[in-house]
Amino acid sequence: QKEVEQDPGPLSVPEGAIVSLNCTYSNSAFQYFMWYRQYSRKGPELLMYTYSSGNKEDGRFTAQVDKSSKYISLFIRDSQPSDSATYLCAMKDDRLAFGKGNQVVVIP
Amino acid sequence: NAGVTQTPKFQVLKTGQSMTLQCAQDMNHEYMSWYRQDPGMGLRLIHYSVGAGITDQGEVPNGYNVSRSTTEDFPLRLLSAAPSQTSVYFCASSYSRGVDEKLFFGSGTQLSVL
Repeated sequence: QKEVEQDPGPLSVPEGAIVSLNCTYSNSAFQYFMWYRQYSRKGPELLMYTYSSGNKEDGRFTAQVDKSSKYISLFIRDSQPSDSATYLCAMKDDRLAFGKGNQVVVIP
Repeated sequence: NAGVTQTPKFQVLKTGQSMTLQCAQDMNHEYMSWYRQDPGMGLRLIHYSVGAGITDQGEVPNGYNVSRSTTEDFPLRLLSAAPSQTSVYFCASSYSRGVDEKLFFGSGTQLSVL
């Protein structure tokens, strides 16, 4: 079992829909959880950063962490074509581990 | 704000050639790192540095060298390019490698080794 599992997709949704992404992990020492967004031919950019279980909201984005289930999620409300990108989860104890990324396509 | 600047954006090498990928950041970040991104493999750490004069190996260091003579610059050297090094390379920086490891990435170098 890989340390961080993320379904690569692609995930296609109509504009305005809710996008739901998730990652599972096996290392219970992970304490910090991040989501990066990567547009085509660009470097990843940090989207959300959370610590501990619970929800964190930033505009249309909500990051959710469930440490007991070793499961994190990212929700995008009212999705826009500009949200079309690859989303990478990342987790950290004393080092950073990335998921493989999940491609999202929002169809106008 | 320039952030993290990588050059070149594209490069084609022949097997056995050497080259240096340049990376510079203007945010006064102590921590810098190099990743490669391959389809189905995700981002993998090659080398990293926690400050000028200090470097260490990451997950996939073989075939690559780094040095850090200044806070701003962190070049990655390919000693003798191999087809297995065909990839997209990203340089990243962060204020620290600790709990605040929030990476800022460059726009990448797409490298093909023939």
